[in-house]
Amino acid sequence: DAKTTQPPSMDCAEGRAANLPCNHSTISGNEYVYWYRQIHSQGPQYIIHGLKNNETNEMASLIITEDRKSSTLILPHATLRDTAVYYCIVRGVRNDYKLSFGAGTTVTVRA
Amino acid sequence: GAVVSQHPSRVICKSGTSVKIECRSLDFQATTMFWYRQFPKQSLMLMATSNEGSKATYEQGVEKDKFLINHASLTLSTLTVTSAHPEDSSFYICSAVLASRNEQFFGPGTRLTVL
Repeated sequence: DAKTTQPPSMDCAEGRAANLPCNHSTISGNEYVYWYRQIHSQGPQYIIHGLKNNETNEMASLIITEDRKSSTLILPHATLRDTAVYYCIVRGVRNDYKLSFGAGTTVTVRA
Repeated sequence: GAVVSQHPSRVICKSGTSVKIECRSLDFQATTMFWYRQFPKQSLMLMATSNEGSKATYEQGVEKDKFLINHASLTLSTLTVTSAHPEDSSFYICSAVLASRNEQFFGPGTRLTVL
């Protein structure tokens, strides 16, 4: 599966949108982009995933560039409870479902 | 829906003893479950893939005789840390695959401390 690159940390203001970038320049055509987050001392929480098209759910929006080499996770109205480590993971469509976690981005939402 | 539980949430044991951690998918069946380990300030590291009805597949460097995995039903996988040592102290996290949604759901983790 393709590797991803994320900034190590970012701050954002409560109530504002948080835009989390992820580079995956070696992604191949059948690989999905997944986002998870991990709040301190808890298991990771699934946020969203996509292949080519932009996706939106109740938690976030995922914007994937046309060349699929990068993506942005958008938390539309960040709250203090969104403070967590956010992981961008690229996964192929093989049947093994494995996820490879990198260092992620530590997002701190400030009041 | 798609809830995964782990038991216990915390365990403290003496060096040399064995500890069993359970991972359950509460409202769905999971043919495949995974076990991860996370040391402080590090990311999750995949230890093994647990497949219902067959032997687990271990990642390189993970001792299969030390970390015994059993996936006896479609809703339960267990990880047994045998002859635990202080260096096995870590946060152990399981996940279960909901194949119909192409998603993987994680348990809340088990904090193991070996004295």
